[in-house]
Amino acid sequence: EAGVTQFPSHSVIEKGQTVTLRCDPISGHDNLYWYRRVMGKEIKFLLHFVKESKQDESGMPNNRFLAERTGGTYSTLKVQPAELEDSGVYFCASSRIAGGETQYFGPGTRLLVL
Amino acid sequence: AQSVTQPDIHITVSEGASLELRCNYSYGATPYLFWYVQSPGQGLQLLLKYFSGDTLVQGIKGFEAEFKRSQSSFNLRKPSVHWSDAAEYFCAVRDNYGGSQGNLIFGKGTKLSVKP
Repeated sequence: EAGVTQFPSHSVIEKGQTVTLRCDPISGHDNLYWYRRVMGKEIKFLLHFVKESKQDESGMPNNRFLAERTGGTYSTLKVQPAELEDSGVYFCASSRIAGGETQYFGPGTRLLVL
Repeated sequence: AQSVTQPDIHITVSEGASLELRCNYSYGATPYLFWYVQSPGQGLQLLLKYFSGDTLVQGIKGFEAEFKRSQSSFNLRKPSVHWSDAAEYFCAVRDNYGGSQGNLIFGKGTKLSVKP
């Protein structure tokens, strides 16, 4: 069984540009989470999908971030326009059941905004 | 609000020595607790988890953790460290407040270095 995959692994962009991150969860996992780790800080929750619906987006920092999960399969996280403080590692995780079920994490996308 | 504290940012141990990584949480009821490890260039891998029952939990790679309610702790231990254990370790608790449906709250992580 394939794990959670994320693309790209690294991205370097200039301030003001747009970047789109992609996450492919484990097949059959309805729950998909996005997290972010800014350098030197904790890994923080961004949002949670159940299938194609946003269940909780309380962690999204501002309206420059847009997440989608059309069809309830893969998800994209777009940052437009990117700012310097958006640099960090963006993790995606998936689980079969929300709540106590284990979340399986992808390798992360390392974003650097110059 | 729930929180997780990992007081040690960086720990260095000799290969073969024992290891204990500290984790304290704040939460009113019985928490769901996790330890994840991130090796260089890799994603987060689950080492072990505690939901209920036996407070001593066995995980992968020879790790174990003990849930102590009285101390609000969930420390990770390994009796003999291997060079391949060098990585960053994260303690996490499931967020049960408000509209949350299972997202995790992480500590800041502890980087483990292993001396030959």
